[in-house]
Amino acid sequence: DAGVTQSPTHLIKTRGQQVTLRCSPISGHKSVSWYQQVLGQGPQFIFQYYEKEERGRGNFPDRFSARQFPNYSSELNVNALLLGDSALYLCASRHGPGATNEKLFFGSGTQLSVL
Amino acid sequence: TQLLEQSPQFLSIQEGENLTVYCNSSSVFSSLQWYRQEPGEGPVLLVTVVTGGEVKKLKRLTFQFGDARKDSSLHITAAQPGDTGLYLCAGAGSSNTGKLIFGQGTTLQVKP
Repeated sequence: DAGVTQSPTHLIKTRGQQVTLRCSPISGHKSVSWYQQVLGQGPQFIFQYYEKEERGRGNFPDRFSARQFPNYSSELNVNALLLGDSALYLCASRHGPGATNEKLFFGSGTQLSVL
Repeated sequence: TQLLEQSPQFLSIQEGENLTVYCNSSSVFSSLQWYRQEPGEGPVLLVTVVTGGEVKKLKRLTFQFGDARKDSSLHITAAQPGDTGLYLCAGAGSSNTGKLIFGQGTTLQVKP
């Protein structure tokens, strides 16, 4: 079975542009989370979606938005890009909404560089 | 705000040595997970600890959750070059948002 797949793997944008990152969860998984990982730091939680509804949001500006589709895939949108948005964006999926012992599976991420 | 502090941030050791990585917080977590991340890849779950005082072993890796569920440690015995990578601890809160709070990570280099 395929793992969590993310596209594109790498992306270069300039300040002020907009970007859309895509994620396909593991088959059967209904929950998708997005994390931002800046070089040298641990991942920071951005959003979680379960059954197409937003279940959690991290401390990120409104420039960041996301949605989950009926097939449980997800998109992360970032508007008005800043240099500080340069990071590895990770998508993770799990079967349920996030019970304590539920395993989270990460994709390989999209490396976004903002010039 | 829940925070997790990991130490040390960097560790470079020789093959065969032992090491311990610490993950500390002033907050209580319902569970704590340890991940390993290789360059260009996402984190891969190693273990989840749930009960205060819990100890789990995964081959040469031993994980412990503090009695108060505020801290955890990862001990590696006889480290090997294949253990090289970024080790991350992550705490889950009590709400059902699925949100994980990650530490800043420990970069481990094991030299042959």
